[in-house]
Amino acid sequence: GAVVSQHPSWVICKSGTSVKIECRSLDFQATTMFWYRQFPKQSLMLMATSNEGSKATYEQGVEKDKFLINHASLTLSTLTVTSAHPEDSSFYICSAVLGQDEIINEQFFGPGTRLTVL
Amino acid sequence: GESVGLHLPTLSVQEGDNSIINCAYSNSASDYFIWYKQESGKGPQFIIDIRSNMDKRQGQRVTVLLNKTVKHLSLQIAATQPGDSAVYFCAERWGGTASKLTFGTGTRLQVTL
Repeated sequence: GAVVSQHPSWVICKSGTSVKIECRSLDFQATTMFWYRQFPKQSLMLMATSNEGSKATYEQGVEKDKFLINHASLTLSTLTVTSAHPEDSSFYICSAVLGQDEIINEQFFGPGTRLTVL
Repeated sequence: GESVGLHLPTLSVQEGDNSIINCAYSNSASDYFIWYKQESGKGPQFIIDIRSNMDKRQGQRVTVLLNKTVKHLSLQIAATQPGDSAVYFCAERWGGTASKLTFGTGTRLQVTL
């Protein structure tokens, strides 16, 4: 159980286009999902917190108009990279939080989406 | 801005030996810590966690030690196997349920035969 999927697993696009990445919790409902970005040989950097039914909370330095997040249901959050540029090329990873209990609060991670902007 | 590529610290161990991966965390208020394993091109995989009211927790072949005095976390892997080769990240959380995680810089574990 507790499987998170991402689609697509990789995408190549031209500079200036927009790309949508989906994050789904397959067998549980997730009120909260997180979006991370990871550059080569670096750690995961949190971009934003996605809450079902409300606006996402963005980390400092992350442009909310460039990285649009929509958490329309308890099993789906989407990240849209608008007007993508080569510097947006990265590995984007989502996670979904299982449980509302103080003890159980694991984040289950998706497999990641490799974005390459030409 | 342009990001500077970093070289992950690398730990090389022989198959069968024990591995110890260290992590310094940043926030003394953190109440929950997790170790993740990440293989190339994949998302992080949960290994083991520990709450701040504990100083040791054991799993299958893995042990996590927490030293809150010096804000240090370690992951011990017993009888390291080739399949353990990956990048290992520690993560800390403060703020309770569904709070965000802050990841450490990571360590690459290379298991030699």
